[in-house]
Amino acid sequence: SQTIHQWPATLVQPVGSPLSLECTVEGTSNPNLYWYRQAAGRGLQLLFYSVGIGQISSEVPQNLSASRPQDRQFILSSKKLLLSDSGFYLCAWNTGTNYGYTFGSGTRLTVV
Amino acid sequence: KNEVEQSPQNLTAQEGEFITINCSYSVGISALHWLQQHPGGGIVSLFMLSSGKKKHGRLIATINIQEKHSSLHITASHPRDSAVYICAVPEGPIIQGAQKLVFGQGTRLTINP
Repeated sequence: SQTIHQWPATLVQPVGSPLSLECTVEGTSNPNLYWYRQAAGRGLQLLFYSVGIGQISSEVPQNLSASRPQDRQFILSSKKLLLSDSGFYLCAWNTGTNYGYTFGSGTRLTVV
Repeated sequence: KNEVEQSPQNLTAQEGEFITINCSYSVGISALHWLQQHPGGGIVSLFMLSSGKKKHGRLIATINIQEKHSSLHITASHPRDSAVYICAVPEGPIIQGAQKLVFGQGTRLTINP
């Protein structure tokens, strides 16, 4: 069966520190991978998506970057966190528009 | 840009009540998603539908493509149904099978025992 793993679940980081969030998918090949963010009191917003290894599309300018070093691995990074980077980060995948999305359990990031 | 609006934003009901959450969107779509976000934040995909009605247990989702409107119903509601329910629609071109979603603001449902 297909599963998605996202870690860590909770993270508290000081301003200016680096960030690395990891998402891995099991049980499928060549998934479309997505990083979403949910700021406090706001809806989900797409940050990045990837249709293949090394292929990253960015939706909004920000202090974050994404990478896909392997088919089923998606990493969200920052060199220097800002207070405004706080939020709930979700990884998701699907295998085409005819199929639903599967979401990870999310990472709650607090930048202090 | 597809605008997605949900109503109500907050809904409190007693256990056993029939619940309806509405979602409207502005641009025609191929399919609409209903998601459930638990208090811990994790999101579960409930339905993806492009026409008519789908049912899963006590949950029923309907969509009217012509009216650009979808509803999520919960029959015999239970406190464990308390969560945020989010509708989402695709937006933009399909690029190699990937298409981004635009999300509604969510409806916070609280079912009291």
